[in-house]
Amino acid sequence: GQQVMQIPQYQHVQEGEDFTTYCNSSTTLSNIQWYKQRPGGHPVFLIQLVKSGEVKKQKRLTFQFGEAKKNSSLHITATQTTDVGTYFCAGPRGNQFYFGTGTSLTVIP
Amino acid sequence: GAVVSQHPSWVICKSGTSVKIECRSLDFQATTMFWYRQFPKQSLMLMATSNEGSKATYEQGVEKDKFLINHASLTLSTLTVTSAHPEDSSFYICSARTRGMNTGELFFGEGSRLTVL
Repeated sequence: GQQVMQIPQYQHVQEGEDFTTYCNSSTTLSNIQWYKQRPGGHPVFLIQLVKSGEVKKQKRLTFQFGEAKKNSSLHITATQTTDVGTYFCAGPRGNQFYFGTGTSLTVIP
Repeated sequence: GAVVSQHPSWVICKSGTSVKIECRSLDFQATTMFWYRQFPKQSLMLMATSNEGSKATYEQGVEKDKFLINHASLTLSTLTVTSAHPEDSSFYICSARTRGMNTGELFFGEGSRLTVL
């Protein structure tokens, strides 16, 4: 079952503020992926991290994979209203693929 | 990116009837498809992993006789909710992974919202 927890569950920020969501797995992950789901939509792939301690950036988004490969974070700098949605981390276990509990981001204009 | 088509997008049915949801990979071969269920404001819960040509692997607590999964070809997997009841109402989403890849992104269908009256 689900063994990937994310915090916080919900986050409301003023437009322009930063946002961070944290992902913690009870087991070591071979890789971790991040997805964004807009309200009413389906998850869309953002990035995959594979190496211990890896950091990747996509414009205002910074993704990090922990040294022990059990945790990860997504940081958004200067949020915009287009960042609204739920952000999920996801990781494999065997041939299965499990999603974290998600963080729902609301950006107040 | 690769395209996964899922339909129907919306379905309303009477209690006791069966509903079939299709998931197709349009421009790639998907050896593995995953079926997820999502309740409002909750995460995606993996229901089963569907491998082409073999029986699906169901997660603990998911009734295989109620949620029938068939993955008969490299481009099509189906989920049939048998004898649906109101508690089966949910958002069902499929995703696919390309042949031979244990890493790499999942491509998601648009999802199917099931309402059982």
